[in-house]
This record gives sequence, C-alpha cells and structure tokens, in this order.
Amino acid sequence: NAGVTQTPKFRILKIGQSMTLQCTQDMNHNYMYWYRQDPGMGLKLIYYSVGAGITDKGEVPNGYNVSRSTTEDFPLRLELAAPSQTSVYFCASSPPGSVGLSGELFFGEGSRLTVL
Amino acid sequence: QKEVEQDPGPLSVPEGAIVSLNCTYSNSAFQYFMWYRQYSRKGPELLMYTYSSGNKEDGRFTAQVDKSSKYISLFIRDSQPSDSATYLCAMSSGSARQLTFGSGTQLTVLP
Repeated sequence: NAGVTQTPKFRILKIGQSMTLQCTQDMNHNYMYWYRQDPGMGLKLIYYSVGAGITDKGEVPNGYNVSRSTTEDFPLRLELAAPSQTSVYFCASSPPGSVGLSGELFFGEGSRLTVL
Repeated sequence: QKEVEQDPGPLSVPEGAIVSLNCTYSNSAFQYFMWYRQYSRKGPELLMYTYSSGNKEDGRFTAQVDKSSKYISLFIRDSQPSDSATYLCAMSSGSARQLTFGSGTQLTVLP
C-alpha cells in the first residue's frame, strides 16, 4: 500500500493564480482531511470529508474548495492565491471513528506551496 | 488563550538522556490524547494514544495524562539520535473534526 499520496510536493504560485493539490489514498478509508501547517502554529483543519459526496468546512476554509467524488481522491482547490496561503499542506485519512478508537490519522508527506 | 499550548523548543539533549515533552489544554471536553512524531519534511505519524487519564507505556515511550490539571506529557527514555524530530500533541473530544494539535516541540538528540 502506498498510503496517502500528495502531488505536487512543491509549487510556486503568483498572486491570483489558481491550482489544485491532489490527494489519493489506497487504504479504503472513509474519512479524509486537509490541514495546513504554518511555522509555530500547529496543524489547522481546512476541510474534511466523511465519504464520497460529503464534505464540510474545518477551522480555516476561506480561499479553498474541495470535492470528493470517489473514496480514494480528495483534491483541494485554491482559487485566487494569496500570500497568506503560503504554507505546507497535508492530506490525511482515517477509518471512521478512529479518533475515538486509536487516534490515528494517516498523513501524506505534504505539499509546500509558496505564493509570491 | 490557545486551546492547546506546547513549548516549541528547540530542545537539545545528549544521547541516552530522558526527554520530557509537555502540553497544557483548556477544553475540559477533551478525552482522547495523542502524540505524533514528525520528521523533517515528512507528514506526522502517530506515536502514542491515550484515552482519558493515566499512563501508557510503549517501549522507550511513556504517555501521561492528568485531566485534573489539563496537562499531558510524553517521556522518552534512553533517547537516540533517531528520535530527533518535532513532536506534536493532539487531543479531541471524540471526533476528528474536533482534533486540535499543539504547535510542536522540536527535539534534537546529539550523538
């Protein structure tokens, strides 16, 4: 199993450009998440999904959109990129109820985005 | 006040030392407590998980939760250079939607 795979690993965007961060998992997990990690700030939840066709906002959703058409894929769309979106983005997945059972989220290796 | 407070370090110790990492929190609804380890330029991975108060031991690692003081700790015995990483505490009241991470403590174990 590859686990959670994110692409691209690095990207530089100009202000106002748009892009999609791709995330796919091969563990048949229902739950998928997008976090951003800024220095000294911990991980902040952007969006999450409990299954195909169901998504919901997290703590910091502004400027982002998601879709979940399949169990495996959970892309994150950035529209009109701004310098404040410079960050490291992590996609994660988990079986349902895992926080209450094992606390385990499975993370990808991250996508480093710089907006200039 | 942040919901979860964690000393960012950096913390540097010699090989073989006992390391103590700590987090405090303010939300009394938190019941599930986790420690994640994150190597440089990698995603976090679960290291320890504890439900409610008490201790849990796994090899050289011990996780401790004191809900009355809203304080959790991770102890690393006989620390190794391979333990050099950022350690993130995380806690939840039961759903991943409510999972809250600390800012992480950067640890370096010197050979």
